[in-house]
Amino acid sequence: AQSVSQHNHHVILSEAASLELGCNYSYGGTVNLFWYVQYPGQHLQLLLKYFSGDPLVKGIKGFEAEFIKSKFSFNLRKPSVQWSDTAEYFCAVTFTDKLIFGTGTRLQVFP
Amino acid sequence: GAVVSQHPSRVICKSGTSVKIECRSLDFQATTMFWYRQFPKQSLMLMATSNEGSKATYEQGVEKDKFLINHASLTLSTLTVTSAHPEDSSFYICSARAGGIPGELFFGEGSRLTVL
Repeated sequence: AQSVSQHNHHVILSEAASLELGCNYSYGGTVNLFWYVQYPGQHLQLLLKYFSGDPLVKGIKGFEAEFIKSKFSFNLRKPSVQWSDTAEYFCAVTFTDKLIFGTGTRLQVFP
Repeated sequence: GAVVSQHPSRVICKSGTSVKIECRSLDFQATTMFWYRQFPKQSLMLMATSNEGSKATYEQGVEKDKFLINHASLTLSTLTVTSAHPEDSSFYICSARAGGIPGELFFGEGSRLTVL
């Protein structure tokens, strides 16, 4: 069955540290890939997406992600995090007509 | 971006009663809407896919008679939790797709259901 896994459940960083959150999926067909963010008390927002083309995707707020097809991965990165990046991050993948979410990674950034 | 609105944002009900949650796309027509459920500190679990004018498609393990979904128009889908029980307490989130690029969804703010 198709699935999305995020190995980092809870990440704690200091401001200015670099961030990388892992996302892997299991599906051999064509996929579209997304990262969503949920700030405390707010609803989901799209950070970035990949459909085709350049596998390095740049999103909002300085985030980027790289699609590595051979590894079935779509890791999220940010070179220098800020306190305001504290949130829950969800990787999501479309399988045919459905969008399936990973388990999420809680990021806490301390000043 | 496109706006999706859910109502109510919070609802408390007694066990055995039914609760209806509305999901509206405010500035676009949504041929497809999705209902998700999010337990505390967990991810979003897809419950069902709602297509305008047809029956919803439920994910495995989701009781279709308990979670009634209606997508009567291109801007409105409703989720009715029938005969609610405390274990139905959760955060329900809807999303809508405007069409075009597959998979890009716009999310509502969610509805927190508490069943006493």
